[in-house]
Amino acid sequence: DTEVTQTPKHLVMGMTNKKSLKCEQHMGHRAMYWYKQKAKKPPELMFVYSYEKLSINESVPSRFSPECPNSSLLNLHLHALQPEDSALYLCASSQGIRGPYNEQFFGPGTRLTVL
Amino acid sequence: SQQGEEDPQALSIQEGENATMNCSYKTSINNLQWYRQNSGRGLVHLILIRSNEREKHSGRLRVTLDTSKKSSSLLITASRAADTASYFCAILTSNAGKSTFGDGTTLTVKP
Repeated sequence: DTEVTQTPKHLVMGMTNKKSLKCEQHMGHRAMYWYKQKAKKPPELMFVYSYEKLSINESVPSRFSPECPNSSLLNLHLHALQPEDSALYLCASSQGIRGPYNEQFFGPGTRLTVL
Repeated sequence: SQQGEEDPQALSIQEGENATMNCSYKTSINNLQWYRQNSGRGLVHLILIRSNEREKHSGRLRVTLDTSKKSSSLLITASRAADTASYFCAILTSNAGKSTFGDGTTLTVKP
């Protein structure tokens, strides 16, 4: 199985809502990533997990809270978001974070709209 | 910024022609990767080239890396309409797992 799955595909939420994005992989990868992508822009790294521990937080606002319950799952908890947080949220995984193992497999993304 | 800069921003060619896109960066790298993204969807990994490699091939794809010029190029030969997508380079500058993506090249292949 070489697939990264993400749910939901689309999410519309108000600024006072709490929601979660989910990501799952069964490739035995030990690194997982969250990216944010605005229209016609490149993906921007948000978080990196390595062996279920947070490795990188790219100064992301606390209204985004990542969680890695186990090596196959990655969640992104959302609370009190702003309309400017509307974007495509991409999850990715790789064998590891070091150079040769950094080839990332991406999920299809969750299209988030904040009203 | 360590971000890769890609050119051209947009490229339109006829089916069967070759397409070349370039990526330049500013710092030393661990590796450089190329990804494809179809409209509004997830990215697909194409090729990873390490800093000590100069050229790699995968099917109709050829990637070169010139670390002295801090640049890489992606060549797609005998293009097809299905190659229409955005192409991004991504630069890994350390072993911490942070990849920085370039702005991308939008390729349109006309049938």
